[in-house]
Amino acid sequence: GESVGLHLPTLSVQEGDNSIINCAYSNSASDYFIWYKQESGKGPQFIIDIRSNMDKRQGQRVTVLLNKTVKHLSLQIAATQPGDSAVYFCAENSAGGYQKVTFGTGTKLQVIP
Amino acid sequence: GAVVSQHPSWVICKSGTSVKIECRSLDFQATTMFWYRQFPKQSLMLMATSNEGSKATYEQGVEKDKFLINHASLTLSTLTVTSAHPEDSSFYICSAREGMGGYQPQHFGDGTRLSIL
Repeated sequence: GESVGLHLPTLSVQEGDNSIINCAYSNSASDYFIWYKQESGKGPQFIIDIRSNMDKRQGQRVTVLLNKTVKHLSLQIAATQPGDSAVYFCAENSAGGYQKVTFGTGTKLQVIP
Repeated sequence: GAVVSQHPSWVICKSGTSVKIECRSLDFQATTMFWYRQFPKQSLMLMATSNEGSKATYEQGVEKDKFLINHASLTLSTLTVTSAHPEDSSFYICSAREGMGGYQPQHFGDGTRLSIL
């Protein structure tokens, strides 16, 4: 079945440095990907999304890269701040039907002041 | 924009009690709502998908008679955990999406922490 997974469960980054969070997916038919940020005790918060007809999309301090050839996407956070500390999930949206979102296992980002 | 409100945020009750959780989209009409369950330090697991006015579609392994979902309007969905037991203790999160298109993100509520004694 379809699955979305992450390479690293925990990532520690010095404040001010750039962070890169990676994600692999297995369903070659996936055509929409979303990154979410989840702070402790809260629901996931939408960060950025990308469709499969793009390979890069930029937001405020965040960039998502998509490599369909190797079924890999990444989230880059520029100038990481303490407020960026959270668990980050990549999610894949299945086309057709109810378009449910499948979440990866999550990466915990720890920002070191 | 795209605010989803979930209530209550925390509930503690005795075993055998039924608990209802509400999920509301405050500033948009949610054609589709989703219910997730999350255990500590784990990812979100989809329980069911519901479209307004239709029966919910449950994921494999989720008991539909145990977890009753109602999506009676475009802004409200409810999840009722019937005859809850300690193993039902978890963090329940709802999400909502505007429109039927596949290329729109889900927006999440802040979850309900359910503790069954």
